[in-house]
Formats: sequence, structure tokens, C-alpha cells
Amino acid sequence: DAGITQSPRHKVTETGTPVTLRCHQTENHRYMYWYRQDPGHGLRLIHYSYGVKDTDKGEVSDGYSVSRSKTEDFLLTLESATSSQTSVYFCAISGGKGENTEAFFGQGTRLTVV
Amino acid sequence: SQQGEEDPQALSIQEGENATMNCSYKTSINNLQWYRQNSGRGLVHLILIRSNEREKHSGRLRVTLDTSKKSSSLLITASRAADTASYFCATDSGGYNKLIFGAGTRLAVHP
Repeated sequence: DAGITQSPRHKVTETGTPVTLRCHQTENHRYMYWYRQDPGHGLRLIHYSYGVKDTDKGEVSDGYSVSRSKTEDFLLTLESATSSQTSVYFCAISGGKGENTEAFFGQGTRLTVV
Repeated sequence: SQQGEEDPQALSIQEGENATMNCSYKTSINNLQWYRQNSGRGLVHLILIRSNEREKHSGRLRVTLDTSKKSSSLLITASRAADTASYFCATDSGGYNKLIFGAGTRLAVHP
């Protein structure tokens, strides 16, 4: 799986609580991404990073924040979880061979907000 | 909004048959990629075709790209039961290798 580890793999949390998902890579890829996958929507980009401390919003960023303090780690935080954030979250990396190249995905984190 | 949209949404075939999936997109692209996802797993990259390419092969996979029609197709020849999965097209058009995915095609290959 291209040296990408997501943690936790499964989490159940209550509405209104903060949640942080972690993505760790050992590939030294420049770019990192967080996507969410919901039935009928494919994968949608939440946030991405193009370097340490360099992040930007994706298509569905409301309610999420990210941080990247080291090349290998990209954190996704739900400040106050809502039921609409129940989803499967995937981290991806890219840019190991430069621009215009493929992405590699982690195994996903299944998050349930009750 | 989704950039790529796959057609059909679901496809059921017998082993040995060919499977064709189509993808349409809306804006100009740097490249278009196809990914496979087995149930409950992460996505696996299959093939990347750049905007200046028209056709690409990889093993039993053949991808075509028509930038004038903003469409692509993925052909899997001589399908196997192990090809059962969801297939997604994704377009890279905005820099930083960001991808926008379609909703996917669910392929079932029956022995």
C-alpha cells in the first residue's frame, strides 16, 4: 500500500465531539490529500497539502481542518463532528515522481458519528 | 461537483467477456486516471493517460481518451472473477496532482 498508514481504521464518536484522523507516509511524497467517500458520490476532496505547513481547501472542506507539520504526517480534524460527516475517509499521496503522476491511497478510516 | 461521470453505474458479465466502462468530464485536463477499488479497501491505480495521448495499454487494460468529446473509456479484456470491483475515473486538471473522481462503475464478473 505504498507506505501509507491511516489511523484509526474505525471510529465511532458522538455528535459534537472533536475527532482527528491521522495519515502517515514513508514515501517522502510531496503532496498529501484527504478524501471522503459516500455512496453515489465517489471520492470528494476535502483538503490537500503541497508541502509542510502548506495546505488548501478542496471541494467539501466545511467542518474540517488539516495540519501538516512534517512531510510524513497529515492530520484531518473534525472540530465538532456531525452525523453528515459519517463516511469513509481516505488519505492519498502523490508527487513522488513529480507532476502529472498517479496517487496512492491508504486503506481508509470508517467514521461513524452517532 | 464531480468532474468525471462513469457509465454504466453497474455492469454484470461472464468470465472471459470484455468489460467497457466510459467516463465523461467537464473541463480541460492534464491527465485522466483509472482506479480500482475492491470492497472495503483503498483505491489502486490502474493506468494514467495524459491529455496529449489517445490510447494506452497495460496488460488486459486498454484506455482511450478523446479530449474533443471530453470522454475516456476503459476496456478490460478476457475478464476474470478477480476483476470484480468498482472502477473510478479521475481527472487531474488544477495542479498539485489533485484528482476529481466520478461516482464509479461497479463491475461484477461471474464465473
